[in-house]
Amino acid sequence: GENVEQHPSTLSVQEGDSAVIKCTYSDSASNYFPWYKQELGKRPQLIIDIRSNVGEKKDQRIAVTLNKTAKHFSLHITETQPEDSAVYFCAASMGNFNKFYFGSGTKLNVKP
Amino acid sequence: SAVISQKPSRDICQRGTSLTIQCQVDSQVTMMFWYRQQPGQSLTLIATANQGSEATYESGFVIDKFPISRPNLTFSTLTVSNMSPEDSSIYLCSVLWAGVNQPQHFGDGTRLSIL
Repeated sequence: GENVEQHPSTLSVQEGDSAVIKCTYSDSASNYFPWYKQELGKRPQLIIDIRSNVGEKKDQRIAVTLNKTAKHFSLHITETQPEDSAVYFCAASMGNFNKFYFGSGTKLNVKP
Repeated sequence: SAVISQKPSRDICQRGTSLTIQCQVDSQVTMMFWYRQQPGQSLTLIATANQGSEATYESGFVIDKFPISRPNLTFSTLTVSNMSPEDSSIYLCSVLWAGVNQPQHFGDGTRLSIL
């Protein structure tokens, strides 16, 4: 089955700096890659996703890049703010209602 | 956007007892899933709840321990049976609407503690 690895496990940045979280996947059949943000005690919430026919997607301060050849995708957060502090999870899916395979999570701490 | 309601939000139970968690969506969904999330850990898929038929369980999870029902397109239950302290965790339902390559959306979760 699919295996998703996520790095780093923790990331501490100064407010205003950029943060990058990286994930790799093993199955080339995966074609859908969502990112979730989970604040303490709350549900995981989708923040951005990318499909395999696209190399990059941006939504305000958040962007995701996908390299299908290398089988890795990354989340980029620019101009970080304290409210960006949370745990972020990447996931991979083969689409068509198949299950999601989640990474192990990255705890992001943005210091004011 | 659609509302996913999960009940109870938390519970403290005695070992050996069972608890049923409900997940209700205010619109019809194609897929429903149940996850377990232990403190500080990632999301582990327990099973896919299939409407009108037996759930599809992941490796390490069995129907006798985690029976699941899904009587219609908006509702599912997960029962945690014969609980032990190792079952203390957060249990989350998630749903998937129709469409190719759509995200899963999660309920608020049930925080379960076993004494």
